[in-house]
Amino acid sequence: GENVEQHPSTLSVQEGDSAVIKCTYSDSASNYFPWYKQELGKRPQLIIDIRSNVGEKKDQRIAVTLNKTAKHFSLHITETQPEDSAVYFCAASKEGTGRRALTFGSGTRLQVQP
Amino acid sequence: DGGITQSPKYLFRKEGQNVTLSCEQNLNHDAMYWYRQDPGQGLRLIYYSQIVNDFQKGDIAEGYSVSREKKESFPLTVTSAQKNPTAFYLCASSPRPRTGLNQPQHFGDGTRLSIL
Repeated sequence: GENVEQHPSTLSVQEGDSAVIKCTYSDSASNYFPWYKQELGKRPQLIIDIRSNVGEKKDQRIAVTLNKTAKHFSLHITETQPEDSAVYFCAASKEGTGRRALTFGSGTRLQVQP
Repeated sequence: DGGITQSPKYLFRKEGQNVTLSCEQNLNHDAMYWYRQDPGQGLRLIYYSQIVNDFQKGDIAEGYSVSREKKESFPLTVTSAQKNPTAFYLCASSPRPRTGLNQPQHFGDGTRLSIL
C-alpha cells in the first residue's frame, strides 16, 4: 500500500519568514495530493491540493510543488503569520480507482514566533 | 464544516464494552470515512464507504465495525476487541468524483475516546 513520509516533524520560524514542509510517497500511481491544516483540538481543514498533471499550484501565500519523478511534494508558506501556527498534514491518494481514501503523513507542527 | 456532525465530543469506554461513535452528514456526499488520530501522529484509515450498503476495511480495521444503511450516516463501533482504543476519531466525507477526479474530503469535529 501507499506510504507517505513527512518532514520535519516540528518547524519554528520567525514571523515573516518562509516555511517549507516536504513529503515523499511510495506508490507511483498516486495522483492526488492535498494538504490539511489542523489547529489544536479542531478538525483538519483543506488548505490546498494538487494533481499529478501539474507541477505547482499557488493560492496567495501558500504554494505546493510536485515532483512526480522523485515522488515528493512540498508545501511552501511565505510571509508567515502567527495564525499559521498549527499542525500540517500532507496526504496522497489515487484518483479513478476503487480506494479514494487518503494516506496521511505524520504531520508537521509549525510554530510562527511573533 | 458544519455539514458533518460527530457525536459525542467525548466518550469513555469501560473494560469489555462496545461503544458507538456517530457521524452524520447533510452534504449529500457519497463517500464517508473513519480515521483514527493518535497524539503526534497522522490520521490512519479505519473504514471507508463509497456508497450506501457497502464499506471496505482500511489500514487498521481490527477491533472496529461500521454500517452504512443510510447515505447520511456512517456510525463506527469500537468493540472490546480493540485493546487500545484511546484516540481522537475523525469522520470525513467527500462527493462523488467528477470525471474521475477525487474531490476534497471534509472532516467533522471529532470524538475523543478514552478508557475508564
